[in-house]
Amino acid sequence: NAGVTQTPKFQVLKTGQSMTLQCAQDMNHEYMSWYRQDPGMGLRLIHYSVGAGITDQGEVPNGYNVSRSTTEDFPLRLLSAAPSQTSVYFCASSYSFGGNFATNEKLFFGSGTQLSVL
Amino acid sequence: AQSVTQLDSQVPVFEEAPVELRCNYSSSVSVYLFWYVQYPNQGLQLLLKYLSGSTLVKGINGFEAEFNKSQTSFHLRKPSVHISDTAEYFCAVSRYSSASKIIFGSGTRLSIRP
Repeated sequence: NAGVTQTPKFQVLKTGQSMTLQCAQDMNHEYMSWYRQDPGMGLRLIHYSVGAGITDQGEVPNGYNVSRSTTEDFPLRLLSAAPSQTSVYFCASSYSFGGNFATNEKLFFGSGTQLSVL
Repeated sequence: AQSVTQLDSQVPVFEEAPVELRCNYSSSVSVYLFWYVQYPNQGLQLLLKYLSGSTLVKGINGFEAEFNKSQTSFHLRKPSVHISDTAEYFCAVSRYSSASKIIFGSGTRLSIRP
């Protein structure tokens, strides 16, 4: 059982370049989210989705776009990368009920993508 | 809005010694509380969670946490640590009524000395 799969594991970008971080889950989870992890700051929520076609902003959405065309996939797009976006990015998924994320359910995390923007 | 404070960024302990990792939260409404663990170069895994009921919650790998509503704390404890417990530990909170947001603390790095 693959769980939550993130690609790539490592990426180096130049300022202004664009790229997409991929996230896929095979657990039929309705809820998916993206976090960034920075030293001393824990994990901060970027965007989340409670089902196909539904997305919303988290704590730090600026500079990132998402879409959710299928239940399985939740890609994160950087349209014009900046050095401030150097971070480790985690995708997470969970069960939800009736389109609402059940906040007492645990998150399943991918292994992360380490992104450096020069 | 809720927030989570982990007062200790690093906690060094000797193997087989007890450990307590501190977590305080602020919220004006009822919350769920979680502890997650991150081993090197991996994603986070759930250790335990408090939803309601008994204030002492037992998790995996011998960890437990106690919810203290009056002190708004949810400290994580283990009576005897092992080298394999070396990891970063994150406290997290979500509101009963809030859709889709889990807020994480800044993490505590636990290092075990032989």
